[in-house]
Amino acid sequence: SQLAEENSWALSVHEGESVTVNCSYKTSITALQWYRQKSGKGPAQLILIRSNEREKRNGRLRATLDTSSQSSSLSITATRCEDTAVYFCATDYVGDNSKLIWGLGTSLVVNP
Amino acid sequence: GPKVLQIPSHQIIDMGQMVTLNCDPVSNHLYFYWYKQILGQQMEFLVNFYNGKVMEKSKLFKDQFSVERPDGSYFTLKIQPTALEDSAVYFCASSFQGAGNTLYFGEGSRLIVV
Repeated sequence: SQLAEENSWALSVHEGESVTVNCSYKTSITALQWYRQKSGKGPAQLILIRSNEREKRNGRLRATLDTSSQSSSLSITATRCEDTAVYFCATDYVGDNSKLIWGLGTSLVVNP
Repeated sequence: GPKVLQIPSHQIIDMGQMVTLNCDPVSNHLYFYWYKQILGQQMEFLVNFYNGKVMEKSKLFKDQFSVERPDGSYFTLKIQPTALEDSAVYFCASSFQGAGNTLYFGEGSRLIVV
């Protein structure tokens, strides 16, 4: 069963708009990470948010973490065409940092 | 930022042959991983490697798979023999302190088994 999963399969917005991708997970974690994967490339980390943090920012990106509901969100403001990618959340879990477990990914298309 | 290099980027191979995928991880990293991805879908964990040993492997890591990093050189994934279902993109990743920290990924090796 999925230990981490995004809540939307695909999103489409116009440049300049804001968008939020949501993620839920099923175990106690030490950290949740958001990655972006552009077509034909490897994933690149956007934000790492630890279990004792509630919010983390990186430029136009903002991630939140709610450990009580075991959910996280990634918001992108002022989207650009180059934000078009698949967005994954990934978690390790308490007692095992040997691997990251990935969600299925949310495909975001930013239209001009 | 730190780079992970994967060689080859693409390979087409006949079913039953052997293939070796090479990864040059970030120089001071201690943990190495292989993930499998089909058609841009979910990243599926195969194996991780630390201190010269496999730490954990998933059900996808079949008996035909093996990994090694001889003398600190390339971290390799070998598949022998290959099967049609092994067709996928294989991503190598490395990290300094384990999965609770940032993983740096290569660009992937696209394997097509025919």
